[in-house]
Amino acid sequence: GDSVTQMEGPVTLSEEAFLTINCTYTATGYPSLFWYVQYPGEGLQLLLKATKADDKGSNKGFEATYRKETTSFHLEKGSVQVSDSAVYFCALSALGGNNRLAFGKGNQVVVIP
Amino acid sequence: SAVISQKPSRDICQRGTSLTIQCQVDSQVTMMFWYRQQPGQSLTLIATANQGSEATYESGFVIDKFPISRPNLTFSTLTVSNMSPEDSSIYLCSVDRGMRQGYGYTFGSGTRLTVV
Repeated sequence: GDSVTQMEGPVTLSEEAFLTINCTYTATGYPSLFWYVQYPGEGLQLLLKATKADDKGSNKGFEATYRKETTSFHLEKGSVQVSDSAVYFCALSALGGNNRLAFGKGNQVVVIP
Repeated sequence: SAVISQKPSRDICQRGTSLTIQCQVDSQVTMMFWYRQQPGQSLTLIATANQGSEATYESGFVIDKFPISRPNLTFSTLTVSNMSPEDSSIYLCSVDRGMRQGYGYTFGSGTRLTVV
């Protein structure tokens, strides 16, 4: 079935550092890909999305490119801030099914001043 | 974009009791979804709720444990029945903003449930 794999473990980095969170997926067909963010004590918010190969989603300085050849959707930000500390979830939805979202395990990101 | 009001935001409950979680959406939506997020884990879909029909449950979840109501196109409830400490989780509702157009789901702020 459809699945999403995120890199293991929390990510701790200093303010203004470069952030990368890896995400790879397995799906039949051509899924839509998403990154969601969960700030402490809050629900999930859609951060960015891409619906077809080579699309680049971007929002709040974050970017991710839909790579069909490597089945990846890695999240990047060039210069993180303390306010970016949150849990980040990669997700996919395979069109043609029942539109359910499959989530990765999530990565806790902690940005230190 | 749809706005979802979910309540309660948190609760501490005794084992053996039940808790009903409510989600109110500010616009009519066809499908509503209920997720569980266990501590330190990702989100797992519990069930899909369509108005006017019984909810569709995912593997490992049953109606007796998680009864769902969907009386109209803007409201749904999830009940966690006969609770045990293993039910301690965050429960989230979400709505379909148009997945076929490539939009993601909108989520409620979640209900943080602790069973003691």
